[in-house]
Amino acid sequence: DIQMTQSPASLSASLGETVTIQCRASEDIYSGLAWYQQKPGKSPQLLIYGASSLQDGVPSRFSGSGSGTQYSLKISSMQTEDEGVYFCQQGLKYPLTFGSGTKLEIK
Amino acid sequence: QIQLVQSGPELKKPGESVKISCKASGYTFTDYAMHWVKQAPGKGLKWMGWINTYTGKPTYADDFKGRFVFSLEASASTANLQISNLKNEDTATYFCARGIGIAALFDYWGQGVMVTVSS
Repeated sequence: DIQMTQSPASLSASLGETVTIQCRASEDIYSGLAWYQQKPGKSPQLLIYGASSLQDGVPSRFSGSGSGTQYSLKISSMQTEDEGVYFCQQGLKYPLTFGSGTKLEIK
Repeated sequence: QIQLVQSGPELKKPGESVKISCKASGYTFTDYAMHWVKQAPGKGLKWMGWINTYTGKPTYADDFKGRFVFSLEASASTANLQISNLKNEDTATYFCARGIGIAALFDYWGQGVMVTVSS
């Protein structure tokens, strides 16, 4: 199985700050990676697919990058509504696997 | 608009069974795979498997072989998850999610169903 190692586990950021979350795959996943945001009591929402493509309706302050085994999600100017838990997920091979999540809070 | 609407919360005893539904609307049901994802309380996301909505063929992750069954009511654009012989560790929220792309990613999710297993 492909292991997805996500860091940090938690993060607090000030309004307007740039935030970066990392995800490392145990093998090359050829950009078959998505990022999701989950708020308490809600289902995850797709932010980024194909490692760097912004899902329709997602604010442009979110961006994804990376290749091979190393990927990152950047929020260029932290907003209150960005609080939540962020997960990466690889879609290259079954079983599909998720990172353990990063809890993002406002400082 | 595209929606996945799941059935309501369930409270069950160990050894009982539960069936969760996921009704899709706003798109052609058979054009997209349906996946199931488990989230235990306070924990991360675990992929359970998927069902080909065109052929009805299910595929299960290793940890979900045996007591878990994916099925369809294609005429009603509905996917179902049945769990038999419930155990305490099945207590979780179960999400259905539409799969897209060659890389299996999820663009729409149901609201989740909380299943509580307690004696």
